[in-house]
Amino acid sequence: AQKVTQAQTEISVVEKEDVTLDCVYETRDTTYYLFWYKQPPSGELVFLIRRNSFDEQNEISGRYSWNFQKSTSSFNFTITASQVVDSAVYFCALRSNAGGTSYGKLTFGQGTILTVHP
Amino acid sequence: DVKVTQSSRYLVKRTGEKVFLECVQDMDHENMFWYRQDPGLGLRLIYFSYDVKMKEKGDIPEGYSVSREKKERFSLILESASTNQTSMYLCASSSRVAKNIQYFGAGTRLSVL
Repeated sequence: AQKVTQAQTEISVVEKEDVTLDCVYETRDTTYYLFWYKQPPSGELVFLIRRNSFDEQNEISGRYSWNFQKSTSSFNFTITASQVVDSAVYFCALRSNAGGTSYGKLTFGQGTILTVHP
Repeated sequence: DVKVTQSSRYLVKRTGEKVFLECVQDMDHENMFWYRQDPGLGLRLIYFSYDVKMKEKGDIPEGYSVSREKKERFSLILESASTNQTSMYLCASSSRVAKNIQYFGAGTRLSVL
């Protein structure tokens, strides 16, 4: 069985602070993919990143960075110099490729509500 | 850009009514998904479809059914709506050729009174 845990239910920061959102996953598969999505108040989930299990390189995209560590089964997301527009619910998700028949099904974490105050 | 469109943003129905939630995607994706989102529970998969007329149960299919008569359209049906089906419903689509990244609609907030 697969599981994704986002232990932080809500985080509140002041603008320009750095903030890290934690994600811990469980899977028995050796090939899997990890995702982060952002859900702004408008409701639509926006894809941020996809990472496969064989690529442990950290990724940076502007103010966003991701730290993937297989040893601790974690895929954490850091926002540097946060802005009010970063306020949203953030979801971490896992997809395994077991048997090649997953059809792209995702297992989502519970989500972390991030509020950035001016 | 991938576009996933859900027919209604807000819907209010009465207990026992039959409810249809419609989802259309314009990227020729073979996979389509229906989730419900509840506070503290994240997104839970109700049903998905990997081809026209094909469907598979997700984690919480009870009380729901689906229909996929055309590739671009995936409908979620609540045969007899109940108050515990009050929730946000999200539709998504994906394709193997697009790395199976799921693209989501804006959601339908359903209230069952």
